[in-house]
Amino acid sequence: GESVGLHLPTLSVQEGDNSIINCAYSNSASDYFIWYKQESGKGPQFIIDIRSNMDKRQGQRVTVLLNKTVKHLSLQIAATQPGDSAVYFCAEALTGGFKTIFGAGTRLFVKA
Amino acid sequence: DAGVTQSPTHLIKTRGQQVTLRCSPKSGHDTVSWYQQALGQGPQFIFQYYEEEERQRGNFPDRFSGHQFPNYSSELNVNALLLGDSALYLCASSSGTGSYEQYFGPGTRLTVT
Repeated sequence: GESVGLHLPTLSVQEGDNSIINCAYSNSASDYFIWYKQESGKGPQFIIDIRSNMDKRQGQRVTVLLNKTVKHLSLQIAATQPGDSAVYFCAEALTGGFKTIFGAGTRLFVKA
Repeated sequence: DAGVTQSPTHLIKTRGQQVTLRCSPKSGHDTVSWYQQALGQGPQFIFQYYEEEERQRGNFPDRFSGHQFPNYSSELNVNALLLGDSALYLCASSSGTGSYEQYFGPGTRLTVT
């Protein structure tokens, strides 16, 4: 069935270092992938998205990489800051469908 | 510009009771999706409303129902509450014109005792 999962449930990085959060998905028909950030007591916040016809997309301090061959998605955060501490979710959606499937999440800890 | 708002913030109910949660979408959005997020897990899609109709539904029983009003606000109703319904219920809004970008509200924390 459809599923989106994450390799690492927790990630701890030093302030200023780069962070990489990984995600595996199983539905090859998914054509849209999203990364969300969720801080304690808040709803998920959109970070960056990528369509299946791309393999890389960059935003402000964030980069998403998509490898459709191995069904792998990653989020890279440059110069990680304490404010980046949160739970990060990858999610996927299908063309014409509006159901978004979320993974379990990775908690990112940024050490000062 | 107000973002997505949800009410109430917290709610405590007893097994077997019924509950109604409310959501107002971000200005300019006409589509509302509801998610259930259990502690330590990712949000699970319940259903989506567009033009006052349920457009798509996740794997949730019929005890979960919804409604969308002409002003695009929405309600989530859960009947015959179970202990397992305890979760954070999230509302997300988006534009119905093919945009996948969703804006989430802060959620309603439901506790069933």
